[in-house]
Amino acid sequence: DIQMTQSPSSLSASVGDRVTITCRASQTIHNYLKWYQHKPGTAPKLLIYDASVLQTGVPTRFSGGGSGTDFTLTISSLQPEDFASYYCQQSFSIPLAFGPGTKVEIK
Amino acid sequence: QVQLVESGGGVVQPGKSLRLSCAASGFNFSTYGMHWVRQAPGKGLEWVSVIWSDGNNEYYADSVKGRFTISRDNSKNTLYLQMNTLRAEDTAVYFCARDRRYSYAGGLDYWGQGTRVTVSS
Repeated sequence: DIQMTQSPSSLSASVGDRVTITCRASQTIHNYLKWYQHKPGTAPKLLIYDASVLQTGVPTRFSGGGSGTDFTLTISSLQPEDFASYYCQQSFSIPLAFGPGTKVEIK
Repeated sequence: QVQLVESGGGVVQPGKSLRLSCAASGFNFSTYGMHWVRQAPGKGLEWVSVIWSDGNNEYYADSVKGRFTISRDNSKNTLYLQMNTLRAEDTAVYFCARDRRYSYAGGLDYWGQGTRVTVSS
């Protein structure tokens, strides 16, 4: 099974900051990598699929990169509505797997 | 607009069964893969199961294999999760979600609000 790790597990940042979250797969997943945003009590939201393709309706301050085993999610200028948890997910092979998450908090 | 509405959650004793439903609307249900994902209290997202658009392929996380069964009725636009031999560690909010593709690899682009399952004596 493919294991997913994320770093950091949490971070504190201010509005306007540039934030980067890293995700690593235990073996190559090519570009079968998705990023989700999740706020408590709400449905998770798909931000990026195929490692770098922005889902329709997602603000362009979000971007994704990487391939193989190492991936990044970058928020270019953090907005108040971006404070949430972020999860990567591999869909290269079954069982699908989410990373443990990164909680982005207000500094 | 796309809507996914889960139901069937509740409090159940260890070893008992529960069936979750997910009513879909606003899209051609029979052409998309569908997933169940759960979130235990204070924990992250955990993928549970997927079923392909035609219902002919289904896959499970190791943690639920042999106990849970995913199914769908494309005539009723409804997804199901039959959960047997429930354990305390199955306590979670269960989300249904649509895959962007007919199978499992596209990404989960629409999610329901979740239904809470509590396994406790």
